[in-house]
Parts: sequence; C-alpha cells; structure tokens
Amino acid sequence: GESVGLHLPTLSVQEGDNSIINCAYSNSASDYFIWYKQESGKGPQFIIDIRSNMDKRQGQRVTVLLNKTVKHLSLQIAATQPGDSAVYFCAESFNDYKLSFGAGTTVTVRA
Amino acid sequence: DGGITQSPKYLFRKEGQNVTLSCEQNLNHDAMYWYRQDPGQGLRLIYYSQIVNDFQKGDIAEGYSVSREKKESFPLTVTSAQKNPTAFYLCASSEGGDGTDTQYFGPGTRLTVL
Repeated sequence: GESVGLHLPTLSVQEGDNSIINCAYSNSASDYFIWYKQESGKGPQFIIDIRSNMDKRQGQRVTVLLNKTVKHLSLQIAATQPGDSAVYFCAESFNDYKLSFGAGTTVTVRA
Repeated sequence: DGGITQSPKYLFRKEGQNVTLSCEQNLNHDAMYWYRQDPGQGLRLIYYSQIVNDFQKGDIAEGYSVSREKKESFPLTVTSAQKNPTAFYLCASSEGGDGTDTQYFGPGTRLTVL
C-alpha cells in the first residue's frame, strides 16, 4: 500500500476561512516532505516543502506543519480564495530519488 | 521563459501501437522523472534519470521505455506491452536526483488508447 495518505478525500471551505489539509505518513525514516496543488488537467504545482529537521515552515498564505512523533503533515491555507480550489497532494521522500504520493484531497471553495 | 514542456497535450493512439511522449526542460536540471496518474489517484513513478545517459526503473516500468541522450530531454515511449496505457502522464525535473530536491512538473500529456 501507499506510505503517504490524506485523511479526507474532499474538503469544502467557505471563501475567506482558513483551510487545513491533513496527511499521514508511515515511514519514520522520511526526511523530506512536499505539498503540491493540481488544478484540473494540469501538472502539479509546488506549494511548499519541509525537511525533517523542522516542524513548521511558512510561505505566502500557506503553512506546513510536521509532527514526526505521530507522523503527520498538514497544510494550512489562510483566507482561502476561489483560486485555491484544486486537488492537494502531499509527498514524502526517504533519502533517495523517490517521492511517494498520496491520493490527494479535493478542496472546493464556496462563495 | 524557463520551465518544463510536454508535448502533445492530448494524444490518441490505436491499441497495439507504440507512442512517444516528449519532455523538455531548460532549467539545467540533472534529474528528470516520468509519472503516471490515473483518475482520482496520486502519481506513480515510471522511470527516472539522475544524469545524462543513465536511467532507472520506477515502481511501474513494465511496458515503458525511456532514453536520456541529452540533459534537457527525457522522452517516454509507451509500448504495446503496456496493458492499460490510457492515463495522464507527467514529467518532472529537479536539480539533483537524491530525492531531497524539489521536483517541478510539466503540464502533462493525456494519452488515450482507442
């Protein structure tokens, strides 16, 4: 089975609210994590990444949290906008070339 | 304008025919990757190349072949041996190939086998 997965396949969010997308991973040796956003019919777009020596990293309107104790990763999006509607994937890497992807969470922003 | 290009965007082929998908990058990245995406699923690695003239199989390499004769190009051939080739194919590249460099993706090629 997949080593990386997301807790919920879909998430509906009111415009302006904050979004939290969760991801669980099973390999405690994973040392690099990354979030991608994929719009329909397009390739994944890099959002933010984090290495295992950190527990939090912030970008523009996004924050990634890493909890190695429970092997959990989350992506927080502040003030969610209609353009944030997409499928969000987390991926992990454990010291080699491979990125292992979860199935994704579809985020729908309600006006 | 730097980036990764894939062509064509849509591709239709008859069953039993080989088809080659193009991937080009002008980011001067050493590593390149091919993934397959099926509806409602995550990405699965087909092949990857960490350096020119070298490539390795990923998780689902059967029925596919690649070449890496130039740093900027990593074409993928879907052969007639691939039992279920209809899918969305994504190419990516990264500065190095050690798994801790960010992978950047192209726009994808949607292959439909009739």
